Amino acid sequence: EAGVTQFPSHSVIEKGQTVTLRCDPISGHDNLYWYRRVMGKEIKFLLHFVKESKQDESGMPNNRFLAERTGGTYSTLKVQPAELEDSGVYFCASSPWGTVAGYTFGSGTRLTVV
Amino acid sequence: AQSVTQLDSQVPVFEEAPVELRCNYSSSVSVYLFWYVQYPNQGLQLLLKYLSGSTLVKGINGFEAEFNKSQTSFHLRKPSVHISDTAEYFCAVSRGSTLGRLYFGRGTQLTVWP
Repeated sequence: EAGVTQFPSHSVIEKGQTVTLRCDPISGHDNLYWYRRVMGKEIKFLLHFVKESKQDESGMPNNRFLAERTGGTYSTLKVQPAELEDSGVYFCASSPWGTVAGYTFGSGTRLTVV
Repeated sequence: AQSVTQLDSQVPVFEEAPVELRCNYSSSVSVYLFWYVQYPNQGLQLLLKYLSGSTLVKGINGFEAEFNKSQTSFHLRKPSVHISDTAEYFCAVSRGSTLGRLYFGRGTQLTVWP
């Protein structure tokens, strides 16, 4: 089966611009998560979708971040306007509903805001 | 909130030597424990997990970890490392009874020298 796909793999934007990251989970996975790693720090949870609904968005840093999951399939994470501190690697992960087996992570999007 | 501490940010070791990567967590409730590995330019890959049962967990690539509830530790070990094990390793915790968000440590960079 195809894994979790994220694109772009890299993005370099200027401060104040808008960027949209996309995640395609494994087909049939109801759970979709976004995480972020700022350089030198731990990977931190951003939010969790169950199908198209936001189950937990307590990790979203501020209202410049907007996540959507259209029809319970792919998800987008938009940063508008981007700030320097938003630079980092954004990971997406998915898992089937009710599993405790662990997630499958994507390769991440490296976002650099200059 | 959960706290995960990876005591070593960098672990250099020679090929064929044993290695232990340390992980401690803080929790007063049941947890699920994971180790993930990130090879250069790749996503996070699940190495092994502890959900319940035997405290010694075996994973891929010859790695194993031992859950110690009294010491709240989940150290990762390999008896003989290879150059290909060079990667960053992340310990992660999820609160039981269902798999939800993961709390990560800051990661340990394992570098294996010939």
